Amino acid sequence: AQSVSQHNHHVILSEAASLELGCNYSYGGTVNLFWYVQYPGQHLQLLLKYFSGDPLVKGIKGFEAEFIKSKFSFNLRKPSVQWSDTAEYFCAAPFGNEKLTFGTGTRLTIIP
Amino acid sequence: NAGVTQTPKFQVLKTGQSMTLQCAQDMNHEYMSWYRQDPGMGLRLIHYSVGAGITDQGEVPNGYNVSRSTTEDFPLRLLSAAPSQTSVYFCASSLQGASYEQYFGPGTRLTVT
Repeated sequence: AQSVSQHNHHVILSEAASLELGCNYSYGGTVNLFWYVQYPGQHLQLLLKYFSGDPLVKGIKGFEAEFIKSKFSFNLRKPSVQWSDTAEYFCAAPFGNEKLTFGTGTRLTIIP
Repeated sequence: NAGVTQTPKFQVLKTGQSMTLQCAQDMNHEYMSWYRQDPGMGLRLIHYSVGAGITDQGEVPNGYNVSRSTTEDFPLRLLSAAPSQTSVYFCASSLQGASYEQYFGPGTRLTVT
Protein backbone atom coordinates (compact mmCIF):
# COMPACT_ATOMS: atom_id res chain seq x y z
CA ALA A 1 0.00 0.00 0.00
CA GLN A 2 1.11 3.53 -0.66
CA SER A 3 2.23 5.19 2.54
CA VAL A 4 4.13 8.03 4.16
CA SER A 5 6.20 7.34 7.27
CA GLN A 6 7.50 9.70 9.89
CA HIS A 7 9.59 7.88 12.45
CA ASN A 8 10.23 10.75 14.86
CA HIS A 9 7.10 11.09 16.98
CA HIS A 10 8.31 13.72 19.43
CA VAL A 11 11.53 15.69 19.14
CA ILE A 12 12.79 18.03 21.85
CA LEU A 13 15.56 20.49 21.04
CA SER A 14 17.14 23.54 22.57
CA GLU A 15 17.04 26.84 20.71
CA ALA A 16 19.80 27.19 18.10
CA ALA A 17 20.11 23.42 17.67
CA SER A 18 19.92 21.95 14.19
CA LEU A 19 16.85 20.03 13.15
CA GLU A 20 16.25 17.10 10.86
CA LEU A 21 12.87 15.34 10.70
CA GLY A 22 12.58 12.16 8.72
CA CYS A 23 9.99 11.35 6.07
CA ASN A 24 9.86 8.27 3.85
CA TYR A 25 7.30 7.43 1.20
CA SER A 26 6.43 4.34 -0.75
CA TYR A 27 5.44 5.08 -4.31
CA GLY A 28 7.07 4.26 -7.59
CA GLY A 29 5.49 6.83 -9.85
CA THR A 30 5.81 10.59 -10.21
CA VAL A 31 6.49 11.99 -6.79
CA ASN A 32 5.14 15.20 -5.33
CA LEU A 33 5.96 15.77 -1.67
CA PHE A 34 4.85 18.28 0.93
CA TRP A 35 5.63 19.35 4.47
CA TYR A 36 2.82 21.00 6.40
CA VAL A 37 3.08 22.62 9.82
CA GLN A 38 0.48 23.09 12.53
CA TYR A 39 1.43 25.73 15.12
CA PRO A 40 -0.36 25.51 18.48
CA GLY A 41 -3.95 26.66 18.11
CA GLN A 42 -3.63 27.23 14.38
CA HIS A 43 -4.61 25.27 11.34
CA LEU A 44 -2.27 23.47 9.01
CA GLN A 45 -0.30 25.48 6.52
CA LEU A 46 2.16 24.60 3.80
CA LEU A 47 5.83 24.75 4.77
CA LEU A 48 7.35 23.64 1.47
CA LYS A 49 6.79 21.37 -1.50
CA TYR A 50 8.69 19.36 -4.07
CA PHE A 51 7.34 18.76 -7.56
CA SER A 52 10.37 18.33 -9.80
CA GLY A 53 13.76 19.82 -10.57
CA ASP A 54 16.21 20.78 -7.83
CA PRO A 55 15.88 18.13 -5.10
CA LEU A 56 16.73 20.71 -2.43
CA VAL A 57 13.69 22.87 -1.82
CA LYS A 58 13.42 25.87 0.42
CA GLY A 59 10.32 26.88 2.31
CA ILE A 60 9.14 29.50 4.72
CA LYS A 61 10.89 30.45 7.97
CA GLY A 62 14.29 29.03 6.97
CA PHE A 63 13.15 25.42 6.48
CA GLU A 64 14.42 23.25 3.66
CA ALA A 65 13.96 19.66 2.57
CA GLU A 66 15.91 17.33 0.33
CA PHE A 67 14.30 14.80 -1.96
CA ILE A 68 16.49 11.69 -2.26
CA LYS A 69 14.86 9.37 -4.77
CA SER A 70 17.16 6.41 -4.06
CA LYS A 71 16.20 6.49 -0.39
CA PHE A 72 12.51 7.35 -0.91
CA SER A 73 13.07 10.18 1.56
CA PHE A 74 12.14 13.84 1.94
CA ASN A 75 13.68 14.96 5.22
CA LEU A 76 12.99 18.39 6.66
CA ARG A 77 15.88 20.46 7.96
CA LYS A 78 16.59 23.73 9.65
CA PRO A 79 20.11 24.76 10.71
CA SER A 80 19.10 26.69 13.84
CA VAL A 81 15.67 26.33 15.43
CA GLN A 82 13.79 28.97 17.38
CA TRP A 83 11.24 28.67 20.16
CA SER A 84 8.58 29.75 17.65
CA ASP A 85 9.22 26.57 15.63
CA THR A 86 7.40 24.57 18.30
CA ALA A 87 4.66 22.87 16.30
CA GLU A 88 3.55 19.61 14.76
CA TYR A 89 5.04 18.78 11.37
CA PHE A 90 3.43 16.55 8.79
CA CYS A 91 4.91 15.05 5.67
CA ALA A 92 2.41 14.30 2.89
CA ALA A 93 2.32 12.79 -0.57
CA PRO A 94 -0.48 12.58 -3.11
CA PHE A 95 -0.93 9.21 -4.73
CA GLY A 96 -2.46 10.14 -8.04
CA ASN A 97 -4.15 13.54 -7.99
CA GLU A 98 -7.10 12.53 -5.82
CA LYS A 99 -5.89 11.30 -2.44
CA LEU A 100 -3.36 13.01 -0.21
CA THR A 101 -1.72 10.76 2.37
CA PHE A 102 -0.19 12.20 5.50
CA GLY A 103 2.41 10.78 7.82
CA THR A 104 1.58 10.43 11.50
CA GLY A 105 3.28 13.71 12.34
CA THR A 106 6.23 14.80 14.46
CA ARG A 107 5.70 16.98 17.47
CA LEU A 108 8.59 19.40 17.85
CA THR A 109 9.21 21.10 21.17
CA ILE A 110 11.87 23.81 21.37
CA ILE A 111 13.21 24.65 24.80
CA PRO A 112 14.25 28.29 25.21
CA ASN B 1 -11.05 36.20 1.06
CA ALA B 2 -12.18 34.21 4.09
CA GLY B 3 -10.40 31.10 2.78
CA VAL B 4 -11.78 27.84 4.21
CA THR B 5 -14.33 28.20 6.97
CA GLN B 6 -15.74 25.47 9.21
CA THR B 7 -18.60 25.45 11.66
CA PRO B 8 -19.02 24.66 14.46
CA LYS B 9 -15.66 24.96 16.24
CA PHE B 10 -16.69 22.59 19.02
CA GLN B 11 -19.49 20.05 19.30
CA VAL B 12 -20.54 17.44 21.83
CA LEU B 13 -22.88 14.69 20.70
CA LYS B 14 -24.45 11.71 22.35
CA THR B 15 -24.04 8.28 20.79
CA GLY B 16 -26.58 7.80 18.02
CA GLN B 17 -27.17 11.49 17.32
CA SER B 18 -26.60 12.89 13.85
CA MET B 19 -25.08 16.15 12.79
CA THR B 20 -23.53 17.99 9.87
CA LEU B 21 -20.14 19.68 9.92
CA GLN B 22 -20.12 22.63 7.56
CA CYS B 23 -17.25 23.57 5.27
CA ALA B 24 -17.12 26.42 2.77
CA GLN B 25 -14.42 28.01 0.64
CA ASP B 26 -14.45 31.21 -1.38
CA MET B 27 -11.40 30.58 -3.57
CA ASN B 28 -13.25 28.81 -6.41
CA HIS B 29 -11.29 25.63 -5.70
CA GLU B 30 -12.40 22.48 -7.49
CA TYR B 31 -10.98 20.00 -4.97
CA MET B 32 -12.25 19.69 -1.40
CA SER B 33 -11.62 17.07 1.24
CA TRP B 34 -12.31 16.08 4.82
CA TYR B 35 -9.74 14.68 7.25
CA ARG B 36 -9.86 13.53 10.81
CA GLN B 37 -6.89 14.05 13.09
CA ASP B 38 -6.29 11.66 15.96
CA PRO B 39 -3.25 11.53 18.30
CA GLY B 40 -0.47 9.42 16.86
CA MET B 41 -2.34 8.78 13.62
CA GLY B 42 -1.81 11.99 11.68
CA LEU B 43 -4.53 13.11 9.30
CA ARG B 44 -6.64 10.49 7.60
CA LEU B 45 -8.73 11.21 4.54
CA ILE B 46 -12.46 10.62 5.01
CA HIS B 47 -14.02 11.79 1.73
CA TYR B 48 -13.01 14.05 -1.09
CA SER B 49 -14.54 15.80 -4.07
CA VAL B 50 -12.92 16.78 -7.36
CA GLY B 51 -15.76 19.10 -8.33
CA ALA B 52 -19.43 19.89 -7.82
CA GLY B 53 -21.53 16.74 -8.02
CA ILE B 54 -18.55 14.38 -7.66
CA THR B 55 -17.50 12.75 -4.39
CA ASP B 56 -15.50 9.69 -3.47
CA GLN B 57 -14.29 7.79 -0.43
CA GLY B 58 -10.98 8.24 1.25
CA GLU B 59 -9.18 6.04 3.76
CA VAL B 60 -11.77 6.07 6.58
CA PRO B 61 -15.24 6.76 5.08
CA ASN B 62 -17.41 4.51 7.27
CA GLY B 63 -20.01 6.40 9.28
CA TYR B 64 -19.71 9.57 7.21
CA ASN B 65 -21.57 10.95 4.20
CA VAL B 66 -20.77 13.91 1.99
CA SER B 67 -22.32 15.78 -0.89
CA ARG B 68 -21.08 18.59 -3.14
CA SER B 69 -23.97 20.47 -4.67
CA THR B 70 -21.96 23.68 -5.18
CA THR B 71 -18.29 24.47 -5.72
CA GLU B 72 -18.18 26.40 -2.44
CA ASP B 73 -19.71 23.96 0.06
CA PHE B 74 -18.73 20.47 1.18
CA PRO B 75 -20.65 19.36 4.28
CA LEU B 76 -19.77 16.22 6.21
CA ARG B 77 -22.63 14.28 7.79
CA LEU B 78 -22.39 11.91 10.71
CA LEU B 79 -25.47 9.72 10.47
CA SER B 80 -25.30 8.01 13.88
CA ALA B 81 -22.43 9.25 16.00
CA ALA B 82 -20.20 6.77 17.80
CA PRO B 83 -17.49 7.39 20.44
CA SER B 84 -14.91 6.25 17.86
CA GLN B 85 -15.76 9.39 15.88
CA THR B 86 -14.44 11.63 18.63
CA SER B 87 -11.75 13.55 16.79
CA VAL B 88 -10.72 16.86 15.27
CA TYR B 89 -12.07 17.28 11.77
CA PHE B 90 -10.39 19.41 9.13
CA CYS B 91 -11.76 20.50 5.80
CA ALA B 92 -9.33 21.47 3.05
CA SER B 93 -9.51 22.77 -0.49
CA SER B 94 -7.11 23.14 -3.38
CA LEU B 95 -7.18 24.44 -6.90
CA GLN B 96 -7.42 21.14 -8.74
CA GLY B 97 -6.48 18.11 -6.68
CA ALA B 98 -4.30 16.40 -4.12
CA SER B 99 -1.10 17.43 -5.94
CA TYR B 100 -1.78 21.09 -5.27
CA GLU B 101 -1.29 23.09 -2.09
CA GLN B 102 -4.09 22.36 0.36
CA TYR B 103 -5.73 25.20 2.27
CA PHE B 104 -7.11 24.04 5.60
CA GLY B 105 -9.95 25.27 7.72
CA PRO B 106 -9.58 25.87 11.47
CA GLY B 107 -11.07 22.50 12.42
CA THR B 108 -14.03 21.19 14.41
CA ARG B 109 -13.38 19.40 17.68
CA LEU B 110 -16.06 16.74 18.08
CA THR B 111 -16.68 14.71 21.21
CA VAL B 112 -19.13 11.80 21.18
CA THR B 113 -20.20 10.55 24.61
